Amino acid sequence: DMKVTQMPRYLIKRMGENVLLECGQDMSHETMYWYRQDPGLGLQLIYISYDVDSNSEGDIPKGYRVSRKKREHFSLILDSAKTNQTSVYFCASRTGGRYAEQFFGPGTRLTVL
Amino acid sequence: QQKVQQSPESLIVPEGGMASLNCTSSDRNVDYFWWYRQHSGKSPKMLMSIFSNGEKEEGRFTVHLNKASLHTSLHIRDSQPSDSALYLCAALIYTGNYKYVFGAGTRLKVIA
Repeated sequence: DMKVTQMPRYLIKRMGENVLLECGQDMSHETMYWYRQDPGLGLQLIYISYDVDSNSEGDIPKGYRVSRKKREHFSLILDSAKTNQTSVYFCASRTGGRYAEQFFGPGTRLTVL
Repeated sequence: QQKVQQSPESLIVPEGGMASLNCTSSDRNVDYFWWYRQHSGKSPKMLMSIFSNGEKEEGRFTVHLNKASLHTSLHIRDSQPSDSALYLCAALIYTGNYKYVFGAGTRLKVIA
């Protein structure tokens, strides 16, 4: 059963603290994504990773960085979190083929106070 | 400005009725479209994809695509309360690598 996991599922942090969101997949997918979802804005792309140590900025990368040291694992890091980074964060993965489906994790609800 | 526009923002249909959702992209690099359904508190799940001009039907769901106008539509016939969800349209854009651009979604409510 193909699966994308995210940890933690819920997180509350204070402004200025560092945040680490983790994503894993068991499908050996090359490409992984981090999105955030806010009401009325759909899913906004933060970063894409095409494979280990091959990362690319998405549409809203400011304030975020990523790390991918193993194909099955992709981390999103917020250094000194801000209140406007309160959101639901989704990780997703897909193979590299043109018609490949994208699979989403269950999401992490982050609140920055 | 969002490169993928969805309309309407919200839609209420009676049980058994037809729901019609629209999606248009302004990016000429669009390769094709996906439709996702997201129930409240859950992650998006792929509903249907359409790669070429025309129509594709899967059960109660029909998707249309007009590549020239970069417009796709999703039609749900015999709508059920369980179809109540946020419907997201995603354009797959290829500029050397694949990137998804999502619309803001249409929130569908099916009332019994």
